[in-house]
Amino acid sequence: QQPVQSPQAVILREGEDAVINCSSSKALYSVHWYRQKHGEAPVFLMILLKGGEQKGHDKISASFNEKKQQSSLYLTASQLSYSGTYFCGTEYNNNAGNMLTFGGGTRLMVKP
Amino acid sequence: DAGVIQSPRHEVTEMGQEVTLRCKPISGHNSLFWYRQTMMRGLELLIYFNNNVPIDDSGMPEDRFSAKMPNASFSTLKIQPSEPRDSAVYFCASSRDRGGYTFGSGTRLTVV
Repeated sequence: QQPVQSPQAVILREGEDAVINCSSSKALYSVHWYRQKHGEAPVFLMILLKGGEQKGHDKISASFNEKKQQSSLYLTASQLSYSGTYFCGTEYNNNAGNMLTFGGGTRLMVKP
Repeated sequence: DAGVIQSPRHEVTEMGQEVTLRCKPISGHNSLFWYRQTMMRGLELLIYFNNNVPIDDSGMPEDRFSAKMPNASFSTLKIQPSEPRDSAVYFCASSRDRGGYTFGSGTRLTVV
């Protein structure tokens, strides 16, 4: 079952902050975050493996609440280069390896 | 490393024709995935290989679709016969030991 992302779209001014949420109805083993620019392939940002884990990548960070089966991506002091569509990919607790089910995406546009 | 290499980048074919998409994963990656991306359905997992063995093909839409991975450095996705509703961008991705995915540039398939 596909994870649910919110919001579906965000428009920011350069320097503003944004939060993108990802929720699952099933227990999660891990959550991945990817960014895809128009006409390009998705690019890996980070993976969160443990409940309560937080990670950072430049001014982009994320948290994973295993109990709530939710993850959030935080973009602070946004830059023009942050524009694109963000996808969360969820891996469920199973023995079949790291197959990811991707959310519907959040389209982020950063304006000057 | 050159990354995940897919060919062709673009394919236009007539309905009923056979289409073969190719993928070379990153050397040392032991998992390979085929995804399909459309506006309506987002990123859908078609099939997952681990150590060249198909693990989950539940996402393959119909018997018209087949995938092989004869060795660690090559995989194919075949559609026979192709239909207009197969038009999409097909991505191949690879990963190592449940890590982040590296996606290829994709093949944009148009079936007319």
